[in-house]
Order: sequence, then C-alpha cells, then structure tokens
Amino acid sequence: QSALTQPASVSGSPGQSITISCTGTSSDIGNYNYVSWYQQHPGKAPKLMIYDVSSRPSGVSNRFSGSKSDNTASLTVSGLQAEDEADYYCSSYAGSGTWVFGGGTKLTVL
Amino acid sequence: QVHLVESGGGVVQPGRSLRLSCAASGFTLSSYGMHWVRQAPGKGLEWVAFIWYDGTNKYYVESVKGRFTISRDKSKNTLYLQMNSLRAEDTAVYFCARDGTGTGAYFDYWGQGTLVTVSS
Repeated sequence: QSALTQPASVSGSPGQSITISCTGTSSDIGNYNYVSWYQQHPGKAPKLMIYDVSSRPSGVSNRFSGSKSDNTASLTVSGLQAEDEADYYCSSYAGSGTWVFGGGTKLTVL
Repeated sequence: QVHLVESGGGVVQPGRSLRLSCAASGFTLSSYGMHWVRQAPGKGLEWVAFIWYDGTNKYYVESVKGRFTISRDKSKNTLYLQMNSLRAEDTAVYFCARDGTGTGAYFDYWGQGTLVTVSS
C-alpha cells in the first residue's frame, strides 16, 4: 500500500483558484470511485470536504470541487479565502478492505 | 449530532500494550463502519484499521497486522483498538472516524484524537 502522491505545497491569492492533484495507481484511484478529500487545520481533526470523487457533504462550501481522470484525482478550491489555508489530504479505497492517503498538501493563501 | 471522543493514549514502553477507546454519540455504531487513522508527529495521515457496521469484517494496514485488533461494544456504543507489541514507529495521534457507509467508503466524522507515544 503505497501512499498517494500530492504536491507538498500550493499557494494562491484571495479570490483565485487552485488545484491540488493526487496521483495513485490502477489499484486504487484508477479502480474505484471512492476518492475523498480532507481539510486539516493545525492541531485539529481532519474534516471531510469531498467524497465519492466529486460529492460535497452538507455544509461544505461549493467553492470546493473534486474530479478524477484515470489514476489522478484533483481538488479545486475557487474564490480562495484566508480560512482555506490548511493541509489537504486525498484518500482512496485500495481494495481488500484497505485505504490509502496522500502525503498531504499545504495550502497557503498569500 | 455526531460526536466521537477518543481516550486511552499515553506513554508506553516498546513491546508493551495499550487499548484505545472511541465513545460514539449521536448515532449507533452498529449502523456504520468505523476506522482508526493515525498521524505521526509532523507527518501525514495513515489509515490503520476498519470494522464493518455489523462487525463481521475487520481490515488492517500491513504494518499492524497481528499486533492491533479493532473491535466494538454495541452496548457501550464504543469502538476500541487493542495495540500489542508496540514499536517506536507506532507513535502518533490516533483518530477514530466514522465511515459514511456500513461497508467502507470515506471518513465523514472524526474524533479529536489521542496521542500514543512509544518510548523507553
């Protein structure tokens, strides 16, 4: 079970859009639509932002959107706001009852 | 309102055991799958274990197989993680998380975590 690959950091100015990529393999992202994204502020628990590739839980801003193509999933945050600054993690079901996370991406709002 | 509260963390010597608890409220454990996820200091998230809604299936990350056991007590609405033969690399904050389904898909609610430090 190898970790999914995410960029270590991304940044953007308020109001701009950013995209975080999450690359896996044909054994995880490429084989299942169980890709999810989590936001984690320092010292806090992760929060579900996107599930099943592109579904948004109730209460999560529609500025957050998800997609997938082949073995790569993406999280787009539009209209960046200061409170979006956090770490973001992708996750995918990897078969046989197991899950794998990405290494995390630190989003900085300039 | 869904609420998860972990407890049982602490400092333990290598080779010793520890049992973590996760008290659930606002929903019934027997209706949802439940996970344990850990985060080593300054590191990313790592999925550790999963139990189906009915307790019939349990799954583990390779590095803890044979050492950790996930279980639940329906009467107490509490999830557990029994950790044996602890190693330094098990040092982490351990989160319990509810699955959005009964058989596994994503982690929709998380507790605040409990810190486990394995050190002599």
